[in-house]
Amino acid sequence: DAGVTQSPTHLIKTRGQQVTLRCSPKSGHDTVSWYQQALGQGPQFIFQYYEEEERQRGNFPDRFSGHQFPNYSSELNVNALLLGDSALYLCASSLERTTYEQYFGPGTRLTVT
Amino acid sequence: GDSVTQMEGPVTLSEEAFLTINCTYTATGYPSLFWYVQYPGEGLQLLLKATKADDKGSNKGFEATYRKETTSFHLEKGSVQVSDSAVYFCALSDQGGSASKIIFGSGTRLSIRP
Repeated sequence: DAGVTQSPTHLIKTRGQQVTLRCSPKSGHDTVSWYQQALGQGPQFIFQYYEEEERQRGNFPDRFSGHQFPNYSSELNVNALLLGDSALYLCASSLERTTYEQYFGPGTRLTVT
Repeated sequence: GDSVTQMEGPVTLSEEAFLTINCTYTATGYPSLFWYVQYPGEGLQLLLKATKADDKGSNKGFEATYRKETTSFHLEKGSVQVSDSAVYFCALSDQGGSASKIIFGSGTRLSIRP
């Protein structure tokens, strides 16, 4: 049973650039949530997708956007990158009826220089 | 809003010592509570969970009891091993059922000396 997968593993970008991160949920899961984990901090909720729509959003600017595809996979896009966007980005998947129980992927480490 | 507070680290113990990592929460509803573990260079793994008051979650020798009266969910292990060295996050889900998000504490780094 494949767990949550994310790509790429690591990424280095320059300020002002745009980045796209990808996530495939655990088999059978239909809901995807994204989190940002800055160094030495706990993960912070960015947004959650279900049925290809953003269902709720944390306190992140509009530079952060996402998408969910019919196969439930998801992308996180960040525009106009800032140095402060450097972090580990975690994707978590769940069933819609039990989103309180989320399974996390290994994350994508984004470094902005 | 809902929040989680956990003891600051780092915590350094000798192998076979008893471990307690304190965690308290603030929530308006009836959250589920979790402990996640993050090994160096890896993502988060769910260690244990409790979904209602007085439930005890347990896994790999770790235990935590959902205490509604003290709004606490302290993590304990009777005898730690070097392999337990990691960062531990206490967390809650802000509501049951659908449309939940996970709210995390700031993490506690645990180091075990041989």
